Amino acid sequence: RKEVEQDPGPFNVPEGATVAFNCTYSNSASQSFFWYRQDCRKEPKLLMSVYSSGNEDGRFTAQLNRASQYISLLIRDSKLSDSATYLCAVRGADGLTFGKGTHLIIQP
Amino acid sequence: EPEVTQTPSHQVTQMGQEVILRCVPISNHLYFYWYRQILGQKVEFLVSFYNNEISEKSEIFDDQFSVERPDGSNFTLKIRSTKLEDSAMYFCASSAQVGGTGELFFGEGSRLTVL
Repeated sequence: RKEVEQDPGPFNVPEGATVAFNCTYSNSASQSFFWYRQDCRKEPKLLMSVYSSGNEDGRFTAQLNRASQYISLLIRDSKLSDSATYLCAVRGADGLTFGKGTHLIIQP
Repeated sequence: EPEVTQTPSHQVTQMGQEVILRCVPISNHLYFYWYRQILGQKVEFLVSFYNNEISEKSEIFDDQFSVERPDGSNFTLKIRSTKLEDSAMYFCASSAQVGGTGELFFGEGSRLTVL
């Protein structure tokens, strides 16, 4: 299994700010890419898929750079409820490989 | 909304005992997975299962581990002789397709504590 690397943080960000995370992956044959959100002691939940052309879902924007093998997530106008660990996930022929996650703390 | 369900939510066992963790995947899904997460560490792949057989397994999934789908609905993970280092949260997941853009749906996890 190939590796997926993330900055573990924590990122301490004031409410309303914009925050960005990056993730790099080593397997150039990876087929699809995702950001999952994981709250403390809970299961990972899909936040959004990441498409080659980039995609946006409300305050969240995901980008994929296949040439450099990295994925990014941008959160605008951050809310207290955005506090969580954000997991980058890369899908191969069998299943998902996760990064260790980036811990985000939104401060009031 | 369909969901993956797991039982038990928490199991405490003595080292050397056998443990079976159970999962009911989403009914029309064909691909099943077990992941584990040791406290404070990343979510790690254990095994994938399709068409009643293992399609891939990680180095973690050694001879102490086995999976089966005994009755067409349950998907179980058995640990034959638990070790202290098996203490973790075990997540079951299922998907309708493999590869591509198919989303994995995770259960809420089974927390295993080995004493």
